[in-house]
Order: sequence, then C-alpha cells, then structure tokens
Amino acid sequence: DTGVSQNPRHKITKRGQNVTFRCDPISEHNRLYWYRQTLGQGPEFLTYFQNEAQLEKSRLLSDRFSAERPKGSFSTLEIQRTEQGDSAMYLCASSSDRGSKPHEQYFGPGTRLTVT
Amino acid sequence: SQQGEEDPQALSIQEGENATMNCSYKTSINNLQWYRQNSGRGLVHLILIRSNEREKHSGRLRVTLDTSKKSSSLLITASRAADTASYFCATALSGGYQKVTFGTGTKLQVIP
Repeated sequence: DTGVSQNPRHKITKRGQNVTFRCDPISEHNRLYWYRQTLGQGPEFLTYFQNEAQLEKSRLLSDRFSAERPKGSFSTLEIQRTEQGDSAMYLCASSSDRGSKPHEQYFGPGTRLTVT
Repeated sequence: SQQGEEDPQALSIQEGENATMNCSYKTSINNLQWYRQNSGRGLVHLILIRSNEREKHSGRLRVTLDTSKKSSSLLITASRAADTASYFCATALSGGYQKVTFGTGTKLQVIP
C-alpha cells in the first residue's frame, strides 16, 4: 500500500491555459473522489467515480472541468481556460466498497494550482 | 456549500489538556466522519460514526453523535503537540450517496 499519489504537486499557470492533474489511487480501491480546497476552508466535493463510471458531479464542476478514470485505475482532472478563481488545492481520495471500512477515504497530498 | 460547521473555529490548549470540538450539520445523514489535516501528513481519516450510533472511541479520541440535534463532538484526551492540526467533520448523506461534505474546520494548537 503506497498510498494515493498526485502529480504534479504544484502547478503555476497563466489565466486561459489548460491544466491537467493526475491521481493514482490505492491499487485495490474501486472508488475515487476529487475535491477542491481553498485557504481556510474544508474540502469541497467535485466528483466521484465507481470503477470507471463517473456517478456524481458537483455543481461546482463547471463545463470547463472534466474528469476521467479510464479502465478504473488512475484518474485525470482537466481544467480548461483557467481563471484566477480556480486557484486552490485539488485533492484526490480513494476508498473501497469492500472490507471493514467502506466509507474511509484515503487522501493524496494534493496538487496546488496557482493561476496568475 | 459546506454542510457542517465546526465550533470553535480555533482552539489553543496546553499539552496534556483535553480538546473538544463540535460540529453541526443540516440534513439527515448516513454517517459522520472526522478528519485531521496538517501540513506534514495531509488529510487523514480519524473516525466514523454511523447515524444509529451515539458514541465511539478510538485511542484518545471520543466521538458523540446526536441526530436529534444534528450535532457531533470530537474529544481528544491528553493532547500532545503532535495533535496540532485542523480538524474537519464530514457528513455522508442518507440514500446511498458517496459524496462527503466537509465542514469549515477547527484549528487546534497544542502548546508544549
């Protein structure tokens, strides 16, 4: 169990550019979540995958945001035409619906996005 | 928007003292979870309490849940400097949804 990993850890981009983040969940976990966290706030849910199917999406996930999880393994979160308001920490988490703790989410270290 | 609100927003105590944090939420839940976040280890799951449970213990942690008042509390006993972190409650709604909604957090400082 190597934990959830996210890449890159930091991303600085200019307004209007597209960015893509990657999340590698714990290998046996079939559920994957994306959250966004701004300074002084708790994480806000963006979207959730069960295997490769995207089952829930927040209204926070505008048309500029898209997430994929091909083959039910790693996931990518793309933000198109970035805006300064997109600056935040983007967190990925994974969990398993099997075992004794189906609701326990394991979080990655996050990708900090700064839009200039 | 945040479903849970933690109280207090910030708490400073001496090492060895107990720390109590409260969380209030708005809608019916399936379970409530507490997480800790610090710069060194990121966001870590601490404990989960289901809607049909009233109290749960894990090491120095004690969580209570009052569904009639839509509130929960987290008690950390015999605090240590390493407990310094932000603590968040997170609620999972009834109905099989997997979305977890985090509160605004309590920032705890334990002074050695």
